[in-house]
Formats: sequence, structure tokens, C-alpha cells
Amino acid sequence: NAGVTQTPKFQVLKTGQSMTLQCAQDMNHEYMSWYRQDPGMGLRLIHYSVGAGITDQGEVPNGYNVSRSTTEDFPLRLLSAAPSQTSVYFCASSGTGSGNTIYFGEGSWLTVV
Amino acid sequence: SQELEQSPQSLIVQEGKNLTINCTSSKTLYGLYWYKQKYGEGLIFLMMLQKGGEEKSHEKITAKLDEKKQQSSLHITASQPSHAGIYLCGADIGNEKLTFGTGTRLTIIP
Repeated sequence: NAGVTQTPKFQVLKTGQSMTLQCAQDMNHEYMSWYRQDPGMGLRLIHYSVGAGITDQGEVPNGYNVSRSTTEDFPLRLLSAAPSQTSVYFCASSGTGSGNTIYFGEGSWLTVV
Repeated sequence: SQELEQSPQSLIVQEGKNLTINCTSSKTLYGLYWYKQKYGEGLIFLMMLQKGGEEKSHEKITAKLDEKKQQSSLHITASQPSHAGIYLCGADIGNEKLTFGTGTRLTIIP
């Protein structure tokens, strides 16, 4: 039972480098999303997708890109990492419509130096 | 301003005592989720509430959604060290997105 799988779990980047956080789910969920978690700020939505080929911005999309070419995968790209992007990132998925449990990945700890 | 307010932000409780965490919205909550996060780890799903007045329990944790569907409370009875962590409420406020509160950090002391 994989559920939502995020990789890598830990990453250190230099300012200006780019990288991709991977997220995959095996539950055939339509809805996938990326959050970042910072102290005192709770979870903030970066981008989300309601199905393959459809993505939309959340609260804090700047500096991040996403794509959804398949139902299973929803990668998050940091185009040019900045220290302000040091955070813990969570990917989540669920069925669409209300009443569906939202499943989270285990998180990716990213440090930008 | 936060669409979902959680209170208190942190809580220190003696082992064995009861405690309550609140989650309040200015908008109708179409689905309210409670998660727990242990320090440095991922999110664990606790409960989901949808109907006004609904109450669910799991072991010593009870969550309620008020009749107006704008506030939820999470109550822990006879707290234990294993209850320590960060509790997050997340809600569907009708805009296709799941909004989260800022979290409540719970510490249990002997």
C-alpha cells in the first residue's frame, strides 16, 4: 500500500539551483495538491490539480511550477531556489467532491543555502 | 488574515488532563478534517466531519462540528504522552481548495 509517495525526503540546494519534488499516488485520485509548511504559518497551498492536464495556483505559487500529465504524478518544480523556499513540502491527494479523505505524503524537507 | 483560525496556538497539559482545541471559520465548512503531525514527520488523518452537529470519536479523541458548520472542536480525554504533536484542522470552504489552520502545538508534561 503505497498511498502518496514523495521524493526526496531531504534536500539541500544552493541559491539559484533548480530541482523537482516528485509526488505519486496509486489511488486513482483526481485531486492532487502541494503545500508548504512553515513555523507559525500552518500549511499553505502552492498549486493544485483537479485532474490530468488541469492545474491551478494556490495561495503561494510564486517560484514554483507544476504539471499534471498523468493522474498518478504531480511534480513540483523550483525554478531558481531561494532561501525563502526553505520549508517542508507536502503533497496530498483525494477523490473529488466533498467527503473524501485527503491523503498526505510524508513530506520533503528542503533547505536552500 | 487566516480563513481558518485555530486556538490555542500552543498548549501545555499535564498527563491525564483533558484538553480542547478549536478551529473557527468565517465561512461555511463543507468538510472539516483533523490531522495530527508528530514533530518532524508527516500528517496523520484523524477524523473528517461533514454534517452540522456531527460528532466522531476515536480512542480518546472526540471531534465535533457545530450546527452552523463554522466551528469545530477537538477534545482529548485523559491525555497521554503519545498525544503530543501538532494538530491541524483543514477545511473545504467551497472553493475547491483545502484550507488549513496554523496548527496547535500540544505538549504533554508528566
